[in-house]
Amino acid sequence: QKEVEQDPGPLSVPEGAIVSLNCTYSNSAFQYFMWYRQYSRKGPELLMYTYSSGNKEDGRFTAQVDKSSKYISLFIRDSQPSDSATYLCAMSGQGSSNTGKLIFGQGTTLQVKP
Amino acid sequence: NAGVTQTPKFRILKIGQSMTLQCAQDMNHNYMYWYRQDPGMGLKLIYYSVGAGITDKGEVPNGYNVSRSTTEDFPLRLELAAPSQTSVYFCASSYSPGNAGELFFGEGSRLTVL
Repeated sequence: QKEVEQDPGPLSVPEGAIVSLNCTYSNSAFQYFMWYRQYSRKGPELLMYTYSSGNKEDGRFTAQVDKSSKYISLFIRDSQPSDSATYLCAMSGQGSSNTGKLIFGQGTTLQVKP
Repeated sequence: NAGVTQTPKFRILKIGQSMTLQCAQDMNHNYMYWYRQDPGMGLKLIYYSVGAGITDKGEVPNGYNVSRSTTEDFPLRLELAAPSQTSVYFCASSYSPGNAGELFFGEGSRLTVL
C-alpha cells in the first residue's frame, strides 16, 4: 500500500463548478499537509498548507484535513480555466519536520473548460 | 532574484553515458532536494541536503550521486544512464522545513535515456 494515494484523474469540469480533490494516507505520524499546484512543464508551487486537523480557507480554495479518517481534501469554488493544472497533495511527519522531506501523492490533473 | 535554476532543461543520453544535472538557488536556503517525476507517479525524493557538506539518501537514490560543496549549488550526477532513469527531474530548496514545508522548485530537467 502506498503511503499517499491520490486519484490521478484526469478531471474535467465546466467553468464555475466546485472541484473536490482528495488524498488518503496510511501513516498516522503525518502532521503537515500541503497542496501544490503544477502547471504544464513547470515546477510545483505551494498552494495551501495545513497543520494537523481542520480547515483552512484562502480565497476560492479550502483545504480540509481529517486525521481520524486519514483523508485530506482541496475544494476549489467557482473554478476558472486558469485553475487547469495538476494538483499534488504532500505531507510530512514530526520525524521529518527537521529535514523537510515530503511524501507526494500521484497528482490529479484538472481541466476547467470555458 | 532567480529562485531555483536548473540546467539543462532537456537532454538525451545514450545507455551507459553519464551526466550531471545542475541546480543553483540564490535564496540562501540551507535545505535542498532532488525529486524525479514519472507520469502518474507523483514526485519521488532521490537525495536531499540540510546544509553544505551534508547529504542523505531519499526514497530512490540508486544510480545517482550528489554533492553539496556550497549553500547555493546541489548537482545531481547520473552514472551509467539506464532507460529507467528517463524522467523529469526537479530540484527544490527550502529556508526552513518547519515553516509550512514550502519547497521552491525549479522548472525541471527533462531527461531521456535511449
